[in-house]
Amino acid sequence: EVQLVESGGGLVQPGGSLRLSCAASGFIFSDQSMNWVRQAPGKGLEWVSYITSSSSIIFYADSVKGRFTISRDNAKNSLYLQMNSLRDEDTAVYYCAAVIAAAGTWGFDYWGQGTLVTVSS
Amino acid sequence: QSVLTQPPSASGTPGQRVTISCSGRSSNIGSNFVYWYEQLPGTAPKLLIYKNNQRPSGVPDRFSGSKSGTSASLAISGLRSEDETDYHCAAWDDSLSGWVFGGGTKLTVL
Repeated sequence: EVQLVESGGGLVQPGGSLRLSCAASGFIFSDQSMNWVRQAPGKGLEWVSYITSSSSIIFYADSVKGRFTISRDNAKNSLYLQMNSLRDEDTAVYYCAAVIAAAGTWGFDYWGQGTLVTVSS
Repeated sequence: QSVLTQPPSASGTPGQRVTISCSGRSSNIGSNFVYWYEQLPGTAPKLLIYKNNQRPSGVPDRFSGSKSGTSASLAISGLRSEDETDYHCAAWDDSLSGWVFGGGTKLTVL
């Protein structure tokens, strides 16, 4: 069974930092590209970042470019999101989402349950 | 302000057919596949339609997707009470080099 479990969310002051983690199991993590997607309270989904299986290609949304860093450790089956210079508007539930190459959809096939990040003084 | 435009709400009665629209531009819907996700309250999204009109295994054939130019639609036929939830469209945007989503549509089954 595919499982994605996010952790690391919490309350942080504006300007602060947080590191989110996503532990993957039930599939060959090292073969799949991964994404972070967030959802502000009562709002729609917003894609944050993408990383290929080998970390060779990385993309960021303009809203987080220069402040957030996506990374992965294939040996630990884990995805990360380092968030610096946090702003009020970064408050959201952050989901990790997997694109499973074998599924052939090239969409977000599996999602974690999300971790809440609250930026507030 | 989402890059893709969806109506914030839609409604229908049981058994009815409803459609939800998703409008974009040439750099996203116009040149890439459209995806639809459903999201029950308090839960993570789930892939509903991929590559414009394909259904993952387990998704009933009551759900269908279509695309024309820079717009797409999700159709739900034989509406059921359990279809009352949020629906989001998405596409890759070549200009932004990233995924873009619609603002989501809340479907109410009257």
